[in-house]
Amino acid sequence: EVQLVESGGGLVKPGGTLRLSCAGTGFSFSDAWMSWVRQAPGKGLEWVGRIKSKRGGETRDYAAPVKGRFSISRDDSKNTVYLEINSLKMEDTAVYYCAKVFALEHLVFDYWGQGTLVSVSS
Amino acid sequence: EIVLTQSPGTLSLSPGERATLSCRASQSVSSNYLAWYQQKPGQAPRLLIYGASSRATGISDRFSGSGSGTDFTLTISRLEPEDFAVYYCQQYGNSFPYTFGQGTKLEIK
Repeated sequence: EVQLVESGGGLVKPGGTLRLSCAGTGFSFSDAWMSWVRQAPGKGLEWVGRIKSKRGGETRDYAAPVKGRFSISRDDSKNTVYLEINSLKMEDTAVYYCAKVFALEHLVFDYWGQGTLVSVSS
Repeated sequence: EIVLTQSPGTLSLSPGERATLSCRASQSVSSNYLAWYQQKPGQAPRLLIYGASSRATGISDRFSGSGSGTDFTLTISRLEPEDFAVYYCQQYGNSFPYTFGQGTKLEIK
């Protein structure tokens, strides 16, 4: 059974830094492309970024609003993908989901974690 | 960036009825790379449809997707109580970013 479990969310002051983790089991993590998607309270879904597999060059891509502040990395030895968020802003308040990319031809998200809440407030 | 506009914002129907949800793109979605997700309160989204019309693993055949270019539709035949949720479309066919529609809430009438 595929499982994705996020951790690391919490209450942070504006300007702070946070690192979210997502541990995956039940699939070949090292071959998987992984994404982060966020959802502000009561709002819709927003794609944040993606990291390809090592075989894919571990290329990272980010949405424009977060480029330069967010950084995605992975540790295949731990079956874990990370999202580091710097210079946090109040508008970064959201539930952050990690998601597994279904297939290279169909870059949709077939498995999602339960989400971790990031709250940015002074 | 491709903007996806979903309509209606809220759809009120009764169990057993047929639901038709629309997703319109601001420009053509290449290779019909459009997906649909279902999200229930407090839960993560669930993939329903990809490639505009292919059902994801384990998804009931009551869910079907259609469309091409800029106009796409998710149809749910014979609504069951568990189908009432928010539905999002997502395009993944063009260059970044992947974008989602704003969602359609399907509520019980």
